[in-house]
Amino acid sequence: AQSVTQPDIHITVSEGASLELRCNYSYGATPYLFWYVQSPGQGLQLLLKYFSGDTLVQGIKGFEAEFKRSQSSFNLRKPSVHWSDAAEYFCAVATTGGSYIPTFGRGTSLIVHP
Amino acid sequence: KAGVTQTPRYLIKTRGQQVTLSCSPISGHRSVSWYQQTPGQGLQFLFEYFSETQRNKGNFPGRFSGRQFSNSRSEMNVSTLELGDSALYLCASSTNSGASGDTQYFGPGTRLTVL
Repeated sequence: AQSVTQPDIHITVSEGASLELRCNYSYGATPYLFWYVQSPGQGLQLLLKYFSGDTLVQGIKGFEAEFKRSQSSFNLRKPSVHWSDAAEYFCAVATTGGSYIPTFGRGTSLIVHP
Repeated sequence: KAGVTQTPRYLIKTRGQQVTLSCSPISGHRSVSWYQQTPGQGLQFLFEYFSETQRNKGNFPGRFSGRQFSNSRSEMNVSTLELGDSALYLCASSTNSGASGDTQYFGPGTRLTVL
């Protein structure tokens, strides 16, 4: 079975600073990979996804992520954080080959200082 | 275009009761997935319905069931409620099945409290 690890429970950054949220996965083949954001009291919003092709994926709100097969990682980055980026971020991996069973990490809470 | 709607938004039940949650997908979307979110277990996939058929299923007991209607609206049912079923239940819709790669759009969720 696949699994996802987000090593950082909380991350605090200053507004305007760069951001990197870590995500490591375990899966026997090349998985589908996702990053979602959840604001308080809200559902999830997809930031970006990787299914195949270019390993550097561009998403919404200025986010990008890079799939590194050798490191089983899919880290999320943003060059300059805005106060509105404060939220919970979830990495997810889904099975491929016909079935679709997504597994989520426990999330990283992003705090942005002015 | 209206987003994914879930009803009710909040629900309080007692142990042993059953509950039905509803999800109306974005117009034109044929896939509906359900997720459970709790502080203890995090986000977990329950199941996915596509064109009225269950396509994929997570690791939940048989007390959790669902169905999808011809208009793509979906309901999720939990029988014999337990305290541990207290959670935020999220619904997501997409044009095609999740395996197709189509983006899933999430609703705001139904907050279920079991007393």
